[in-house]
Amino acid sequence: KQEVTQIPAALSVPEGENLVLNCSFTDSAIYNLQWFRQDPGKGLTSLLLIQSSQREQTSGRLNASLDKSSGRSTLYIAASQPGDSATYLCAVVNTDKLIFGTGTRLQVFP
Amino acid sequence: DAGVIQSPRHEVTEMGQEVTLRCKPISGHDYLFWYRQTMMRGLELLIYFNNNVPIDDSGMPEDRFSAKMPNASFSTLKIQPSEPRDSAVYFCASRPAVNWGTDTQYFGPGTRLTVL
Repeated sequence: KQEVTQIPAALSVPEGENLVLNCSFTDSAIYNLQWFRQDPGKGLTSLLLIQSSQREQTSGRLNASLDKSSGRSTLYIAASQPGDSATYLCAVVNTDKLIFGTGTRLQVFP
Repeated sequence: DAGVIQSPRHEVTEMGQEVTLRCKPISGHDYLFWYRQTMMRGLELLIYFNNNVPIDDSGMPEDRFSAKMPNASFSTLKIQPSEPRDSAVYFCASRPAVNWGTDTQYFGPGTRLTVL
């Protein structure tokens, strides 16, 4: 059974710092790995999707890497801003479902 | 497109009452998913449909939960009778039917259910 774990569970940093959020999964037979952002009281927004054949994806200040063999992914946020404050969820697709991690709650203060 | 639409956004009910949550997926999307999010268990898949047909309902917690998709633009998740432990945020999501490797799911804003 696929299990997805995220570390840390919560993170509070000053504005401007570069951040690394971690995600690990137990079954490497995945179609892709995705990072989502969730704002309080709202749904999830897809940030990045890394296909199983890819190593990384970039979007603006965000960079996500994938190492299938070790069952790990990292989300790198450069020059963090208060607007980045949210919960970040990683999820893997194997067979036909998205399996979510427990999330990292990020707070960036001015 | 307006995105995935869910109603109501908030629901407060008493234990034992029937609760019906509604979802309108993005037009043209062939897959529809229902999730439940709680502090203790995180985000869990309850059931999903492909072309209005339930494919996997292994995540439905009990017989008190049922879901239907009578047509491509509407789905319901019903809880009868409701219990306090059903209190959670319920999300609906949809995705196109192209490629599991490249396509993401689009989530609605969720329904926050409180059962007293």
